[in-house]
Amino acid sequence: EAGVTQSPTHLIKTRGQQATLRCSPISGHTSVYWYQQALGLGLQFLLWYDEGEERNRGNFPPRFSGRQFPNYSSELNVNALELEDSALYLCASSLYSGLVSGELFFGEGSRLTVL
Amino acid sequence: DQQVKQNSPSLSVQEGRISILNCDYTNSMFDYFLWYKKYPAEGPTFLISISSIKDKNEDGRFTVFLNKSAKHLSLHIVPSQPGDSAVYFCAASVRGQNFVFGPGTRLSVLP
Repeated sequence: EAGVTQSPTHLIKTRGQQATLRCSPISGHTSVYWYQQALGLGLQFLLWYDEGEERNRGNFPPRFSGRQFPNYSSELNVNALELEDSALYLCASSLYSGLVSGELFFGEGSRLTVL
Repeated sequence: DQQVKQNSPSLSVQEGRISILNCDYTNSMFDYFLWYKKYPAEGPTFLISISSIKDKNEDGRFTVFLNKSAKHLSLHIVPSQPGDSAVYFCAASVRGQNFVFGPGTRLSVLP
């Protein structure tokens, strides 16, 4: 069974550009989470999607946005890139039953570098 | 406001001894807790979880203890092995929603 896959593995952009990161969850998982891990820091919650809807977002500016497609894959968009957006972006999926979900399964991450 | 705290940024332990990683939380609504392990340039991998209806869960060398009154949980690894050297994240959620992660503790197991 394939795990959570993320693309691209690495992405280099310049300030002011836009970045798009993609995530495919484990087959059967309906929830997708996005986290940011800046260098030396922990995992900061960005966004949570379930069944195509945004369920919650973390304390990030509106230029961080995303969506979840009918096949449950997800996209994270970061507009007007700033230097401090350089980080590892991690996607995770889970089977959310509406009451309790299991653990999160993470992808390998997308490393975004903003020059 | 950090809801999940791991106050030790790093921990060094001798091979074969016990590693104890601590985690504190502030939100009394959290009812499901997990520990993840992360190697550099890889995604975190799930280690062990515990529901608030339990105070202990064991899986091989890994045991998680939960003290709800103190809002504290700990991960015990015994015996510690060099391959356990990684960053360990504590995470908490309310009914499996909104997993909040702590800042992580870097464990170094010395041979």
